[in-house]
Amino acid sequence: GAVVSQHPSRVICKSGTSVKIECRSLDFQATTMFWYRQFPKKSLMLMATSNEGSKATYEQGVEKDKFLINHASLTLSTLTVTSAHPEDSSFYICSASRAGGYEQYFGPGTRLTVT
Amino acid sequence: GESVGLHLPTLSVQEGDNSIINCAYSNSASDYFIWYKQESGKGPQFIIDIRSNMDKRQGQRVTVLLNKTVKHLSLQIAATQPGDSAVYFCAEGGAAGNKLTFGGGTRVLVKP
Repeated sequence: GAVVSQHPSRVICKSGTSVKIECRSLDFQATTMFWYRQFPKKSLMLMATSNEGSKATYEQGVEKDKFLINHASLTLSTLTVTSAHPEDSSFYICSASRAGGYEQYFGPGTRLTVT
Repeated sequence: GESVGLHLPTLSVQEGDNSIINCAYSNSASDYFIWYKQESGKGPQFIIDIRSNMDKRQGQRVTVLLNKTVKHLSLQIAATQPGDSAVYFCAEGGAAGNKLTFGGGTRVLVKP
């Protein structure tokens, strides 16, 4: 149990366009979902925390208008990178946790390339 | 701010030998610590965790040691196998809700 999926696994988009990444908990209800960004050979950097039905809480330095997060259900959260630029190219990883639990279950990640 | 760090960026180990990966943390308010394994192009995979009221926990071929006095965490992998080659991250949590703070990562290369 505790499987998290992400879609798409890879996406290439042109500068100025927006791209949406989905994160789904397949076999449990995720009251909290987290979005991370990871640059090559670097660690995971938390971007934002989202609780179902509430606005996301963004980490310092992360633009909430650029990285739109929606957590409309207990099994789905989406991250939309708006007006993408090449510097937004990165590996985006989501995780999900159950109510009352601290363990985070990670998705397989989405490789975004902005040309 | 508070951070989690690692001593060694890369660890080469002979197949069959034991591996030890170290991690220093600075937030004394952290309540739990987790080790993750990440293979290239994949998301982190949970290995083992430990609560702050423990100093040792064992899993299958892995042992995590926590020394709160010096704020040090280690992961020991017994009889390292080629499949253990990956990047290993420590993470701490509990000081700020259920957010995790990740360390810089250590790459483990297993030599046949």
